[in-house]
Parts: sequence; structure tokens; C-alpha cells
Amino acid sequence: EVQLVQSGAEVKKPGESLKISCKGSGYSFTTYWIGWVRQMPGKGLEWMGIIYPGDSDTRYSPSFQGQVTISADKSISTAYLQWSSLRASDTAMYYCARHAGSGYYPYWGQGSLVTVSS
Amino acid sequence: EIVLTQSPGTLSLSPGERATLSCRASQSVSSSNLAWYQQKPGQAPRLLIYGASNRATGIPDRFSGSGSGTDFTLTISRLEPEDFAVYYCQQYGSSPRSFGQGTKLEIK
Repeated sequence: EVQLVQSGAEVKKPGESLKISCKGSGYSFTTYWIGWVRQMPGKGLEWMGIIYPGDSDTRYSPSFQGQVTISADKSISTAYLQWSSLRASDTAMYYCARHAGSGYYPYWGQGSLVTVSS
Repeated sequence: EIVLTQSPGTLSLSPGERATLSCRASQSVSSSNLAWYQQKPGQAPRLLIYGASNRATGIPDRFSGSGSGTDFTLTISRLEPEDFAVYYCQQYGSSPRSFGQGTKLEIK
């Protein structure tokens, strides 16, 4: 059974750094792209970017390029999303999702809620 | 970048009725690389349709997708109480991938 298990909720202050995780199991982690999706409170889904854990090839949405870093550690089947300096506007639920086919998402993590507040 | 516009923003219907949701792309979506998702409060999105018209595993046949190019439709033939949720389309034919803003399907 394919599973994506994300790290828990975080409460941070503006300017702090953060790295959230997404651990895949039940499939070959290195051979499927993993994407990250943001959902701000009460809003829709926003595609942030993707990573291919096999070679760490990474693509970003222009809206998120330079704002976040996507990475993966294939030795522990885990993908990451990180910020070097959080803003209040980064408050959102963040989902990881595994690709199928050309890039639709049949498998989703449970979400990681990030709250940034002074 | 392809912008997806969903309509209507909110759709108010009763159980047993037919729902028709629209997703229009700002440019042609290559190879009908369009998916539909359902999201209920407090839950992750759930894949319903991929390749514009293929139902995902375990999705009831009352859900169907159609369209090509720039115009796509999700149809729910007979609404069940559990179908009231928010629906999103997503294109994966070009980079960056993108989602529509969502259609909320509410009980009338």
C-alpha cells in the first residue's frame, strides 16, 4: 500500500527557518516524482514544485522559486520542503503528493499545518 | 503558465440531481492531461478523474469527465449526500502544473 506520511504541525515565528518532511512507503521511492501543494486557510490548492528522488531533479512554480527549497533523501525515502526565513503569509496547510502517469496525484500525504505568528 | 478557471464558484443542488462543473484553460492542455479532485473539510484532496475522462481506482461511475483542448467538464450524474464538497481541476500537460480555484458543491 502506497503511503505518504508527513511531519506534524509547526508553530513558528517570522524569520525562523523550517523543514517539513514527507516519508514514502509501499513503492519504489526513487522512481516517482513527489510534488508539494500549498493550501492557505480557506483557499484553494497551489502547485509549488516537484522533485524526482532518484536524481534530485527539481522543478519549481515561478510563484515559489526562491521562496522555498524542495529536497529529498532517498536513503530514508523522505522528501522535504524548507524555508530559510518564514513569513506570516507562509501560514498554510502543505501537502505532499506522489505522481502517477504524467503528473496527476493519486496519493497524498495527510498534510502538515504550518502557522507563522509573532 | 496555464491558468485554469472553474465555474461556477458555488453550485447549490439537491441530492439526486445532476451536477455539471466546468474547467476552462487559458491555453490548450496537451494530451488531455487534466485531472479532477474532490476535497472535503479537514481532508487531503482525492483524485477522481485523470486524462480528462478516466476514473481513478474506486471512484463510482456516477462521476464522469469529458473535454479536450481548453474546455473540460466534470459531471456527477446523481448526487449522493457524500458528494457535497469542493472540486478542483488540475492540468499536468505543461510546466508549471496548475490547479483551478475550485467549485464548491453545496446542498440546496
